Amino acid sequence: GENVEQHPSTLSVQEGDSAVIKCTYSDSASNYFPWYKQELGKGPQLIIDIRSNVGEKKDQRIAVTLNKTAKHFSLHITETQPEDSAVYFCAAKGNAGKSTFGDGTTLTVKP
Amino acid sequence: DAGVIQSPRHEVTEMGQEVTLRCKPISGHDYLFWYRQTMMRGLELLIYFNNNVPIDDSGMPEDRFSAKMPNASFSTLKIQPSEPRDSAVYFCASSLLGRGMRMNTEAFFGQGTRLTVV
Repeated sequence: GENVEQHPSTLSVQEGDSAVIKCTYSDSASNYFPWYKQELGKGPQLIIDIRSNVGEKKDQRIAVTLNKTAKHFSLHITETQPEDSAVYFCAAKGNAGKSTFGDGTTLTVKP
Repeated sequence: DAGVIQSPRHEVTEMGQEVTLRCKPISGHDYLFWYRQTMMRGLELLIYFNNNVPIDDSGMPEDRFSAKMPNASFSTLKIQPSEPRDSAVYFCASSLLGRGMRMNTEAFFGQGTRLTVV
């Protein structure tokens, strides 16, 4: 089955700096890669996603890159703000319908 | 749509009691997932359904856990008997696997049920 590894497990940055979270996956059949943000007391919520036919996608301060050959994808957050502090999960999904999640990254943005 | 609705939000029960968690997926979604989240093990997929049929229950930890989806708008996760190590946040999520080009879509999560077994 699919195996997703996510690094780092914790990340602390100064407000205004950039944050990068990296994930690798094992199943070349995976074709959809969502990123979720989980705030305290809430369920994970999608913040950005990328499909396997695209190498990069950007939405305001958030971008995701995908390298299919190397089987890795990354989340980039620029100009971080304290409200970006949360747990971030990457996931990989094929046509079987279920996602395999990484272990999560706890991001802390210091004011 | 109100999103994925889970009930109850919080449940405190005594060891040995039966616990039933409930989920209403987003209308029209054809996949439903039950996850368990703990500090030690992170987010674990317990079981998922496609069109109300269980597809993969390999994540269900023990026979004490069971899940049903009697129709497209309702699912339950039952623990009988409950144990303190079952304490966790349980999430239900639903998604749609688009037809035609089989476009994957995101999973929409509910707010979760925080279960405490004492």
